[in-house]
Parts: sequence; structure tokens; C-alpha cells
Amino acid sequence: GEQVEQLPSSLIVQEGASVLINCSYTDSASVYFPWYKQEPGKRLQFIIDIRSNMERKQTQRLTLLFDKKTKHLSLHITATQPGDSAIYFCSASINSNNRIFFGDGTQLVVKP
Amino acid sequence: GPKVLQIPSHQIIDMGQMVTLNCDPVSNHLYFYWYKQILGQQMEFLVNFYNGKVMEKSKLFKDQFSVERPDGSYFTLKIQPTALEDSAVYFCASSSGQYQNTLYFGAGTRLSVL
Repeated sequence: GEQVEQLPSSLIVQEGASVLINCSYTDSASVYFPWYKQEPGKRLQFIIDIRSNMERKQTQRLTLLFDKKTKHLSLHITATQPGDSAIYFCSASINSNNRIFFGDGTQLVVKP
Repeated sequence: GPKVLQIPSHQIIDMGQMVTLNCDPVSNHLYFYWYKQILGQQMEFLVNFYNGKVMEKSKLFKDQFSVERPDGSYFTLKIQPTALEDSAVYFCASSSGQYQNTLYFGAGTRLSVL
């Protein structure tokens, strides 16, 4: 089945820095890639998604890039704030259902 | 935003007992999911459910597992009997559509099987 990998597993940055989280997947049938964020003790929260017919999507401080050839995504977060501290999950799903495969997560810590 | 509620947040039971995990999905959502996350590991799909039926289940969804949503009440995951390896956090999610729809997750129920 689909395998989703994320790198790095953790990141510690100073407030204001930009970060990049990389994600790769294996199943070329995957067409939908939602990202979720989980703050300590809280539920997973959807933050951004991209479909395989797109290369780039941007909302506020988040930019998501998608490369279908290399099966690779990258999430860029600019001007980080302590409130961005969370675990970020990349995920992938194929078109025939909404079964989502998650990566292991990237723990981001933003120091004030 | 829309919230999925899970009750209880933590459940401790003895191996071999039955446990029911409850999920109150977003009110107008029609598709429901359970995911399992063992400490330190990936979150893994268990099952999805629509119109009173299981649509798809993974190999983690053992015969001891069952799901239902009687009369639009809670969407439940029942494990009977429980085993030590069932200890994990179970996340419920719901979505309005089937394909490429955002899932809304609950905060999870931590199940500890002793």
C-alpha cells in the first residue's frame, strides 16, 4: 500500500524563521494530499491541501509545492510564531475513496 | 470550525473486556472513519463507514472490532474482547463527501488495555 515519509522528524527554530517540511509518497495513484497540524493535547486540524493536477498552493504563511514526477511535496512556513509549534502531518489518498495514509509527522518547535 | 467529539478521552480496561469508543461526528457529515495510533508510530487507517455500512477496512480492523451508528447517534467502535496490542489512541473523523474531502478529527480516545 501507500507509504508516506516525512523529513525532518523534528525542527527547532527561532520565531520569525522559515521552515521547510518534506514529504514523499510511493503510490502513483495518490491524487489528494491534505496536511494536518496537531498541537499538544489537541485534535488534528486541517491546514492545507493540494491535488495532483496542481503544482503549488498558498494560504497566508503556508506554501505547498507538489512534484508529481518525483512524488514529492514540500510545505514551506514563513515568519513562524510560537503558536505554530505542533506536529505537522503529510498525508496522501487515492481517488477511489477517502482512505488517507499519514506520514510519521514533523515536530516543529518555534522558540520566542 | 466544525468539531468531532470523542468520549471518553481516556479509557482503562482489563484485557479480555469489551470496550466501546464513542464519536459524535460533525452534524451534516455522512462519512465516518476510525484511525489508530500506537505511541510513537504512524496514525493508521482502520475503517470507514457510510450509510450504515463499512465501506473499507484495513488489516488492522480485526474480527474483534465492529462499528455502527444506530439511528444517527454516536458512531461507535467496539472491541470485544480487547487485547494488549489494542492499547493506542483511537481517532474518529468525519467528512461531508467521499472523495478528496477534508477530514475533521476528534481529539482521540486513549485506550489502555492492562
